[in-house]
Amino acid sequence: NAGVMQNPRHLVRRRGQEARLRCSPMKGHSHVYWYRQLPEEGLKFMVYLQKENIIDESGMPKERFSAEFPKEGPSILRIQQVVRGDSAAYFCASSFTGSSMDTIYFGEGSWLTVV
Amino acid sequence: DQQVKQNSPSLSVQEGRISILNCDYTNSMFDYFLWYKKYPAEGPTFLISISSIKDKNEDGRFTVFLNKSAKHLSLHIVPSQPGDSAVYFCAASGSGGGADGLTFGKGTHLIIQP
Repeated sequence: NAGVMQNPRHLVRRRGQEARLRCSPMKGHSHVYWYRQLPEEGLKFMVYLQKENIIDESGMPKERFSAEFPKEGPSILRIQQVVRGDSAAYFCASSFTGSSMDTIYFGEGSWLTVV
Repeated sequence: DQQVKQNSPSLSVQEGRISILNCDYTNSMFDYFLWYKKYPAEGPTFLISISSIKDKNEDGRFTVFLNKSAKHLSLHIVPSQPGDSAVYFCAASGSGGGADGLTFGKGTHLIIQP
């Protein structure tokens, strides 16, 4: 499967725990994006990364959220001390270039439930 | 402040007829528009896109129309099929080199009735 791979697909965490979501982009893609979808809402941009660099994190909450895309391995979205409001579907996407006219392809999503 | 608006949360269309999904935007810097289709518990799937230098793009049963002066685009599906039942998201990107990612509307749930 050469598509965007996300894991885990479903994650349950208690309040105060940490959540780590992983994303491997499509083969040949070096641009990764994370989006969040809250219930009854559209997808909201969170962060845009290239290998080892955060290009734009304007959509990331200021606290508890961080993202990385190391030289080797998948991109990680990390949420510390989760709260109930973090329950959402988190989608990773990738593109070949960072051009605004390049199609962005999405993974299947990771559903985080905070109990 | 919603920059991309899909004002119809849901739309019901009879199988075989034309489905028209609408999308309005407010940011004049957007120059590339995409439609994604999403089934429950799955990621969005790219359908079709259009650049601001065009006013129409067609791919099989799907056609996207762009009216720049009205800041409006629409997705036409004809003929509609049962497998088209899904949530459709309109998305836009600007000329900032993609660094801003995509701005999505809230989606329209299309229901194709037999």
